[in-house]
Amino acid sequence: EVQLVESGGRLEKPGGSLRLSCEASEFNFGDYGMNWVRQAPGKGLEWVAYISATGSVVYYADSVRGRFTISRDNAKNSLHLQMNSLRGEDTAVYYCARANMIRGILGDHWGQGTLVTVSS
Amino acid sequence: SYVLSQPPSLSVAPGQTASLTCGGNDIGTRSVHWYQKKAGQAPVLVVYVNEDRPSGVPERFSGSKSGNTATLTISRVEGGDEADYFCQVWDSSSDHPGVFGGGTRLTV
Repeated sequence: EVQLVESGGRLEKPGGSLRLSCEASEFNFGDYGMNWVRQAPGKGLEWVAYISATGSVVYYADSVRGRFTISRDNAKNSLHLQMNSLRGEDTAVYYCARANMIRGILGDHWGQGTLVTVSS
Repeated sequence: SYVLSQPPSLSVAPGQTASLTCGGNDIGTRSVHWYQKKAGQAPVLVVYVNEDRPSGVPERFSGSKSGNTATLTISRVEGGDEADYFCQVWDSSSDHPGVFGGGTRLTV
């Protein structure tokens, strides 16, 4: 069964940085694009960033472009999200999701999420 | 950027049918996917490419499209179906291609 486990979320001050990680197992990680999706308290799902299977293509939501960087290490089956210049509106549960780009599916499997709180 | 519109809420009685809609320009030309999101849990894909169901999703869940509207239909609604439901497309013509609708809270 596909496993995705996020980590790295915690309380951070505005302007600070965090690095989220997602460890993948039970599938060929290097064959799949991956996404980060977040859900702020009381809000809907918001797509954050995408990285292709090889890492050569990345996309970002306008709300995070220039502040967040998505990356991956296929040798370690891991996905990362470097979050800089954090703002209060970045407070959310962050999920990693395995993409199926052939069908345009943003997430056919999801992790349980990691909570990021940005507050002074 | 592409926009998907969903009504914020829908209430149905147990055993009835819930029809959750998702509107978007030219949605008929796009593949629409649906996710169920319960509080404190990860999202779950319940319908993909408009009408297909992942293994393990009950047959009570079905998807369709007509005109500029995609619909997720849940037949014989149960209490366990109470959740938020989000539609999604991938706008490959955009440099920010991931698009979710605002979500519909289904109350049973």
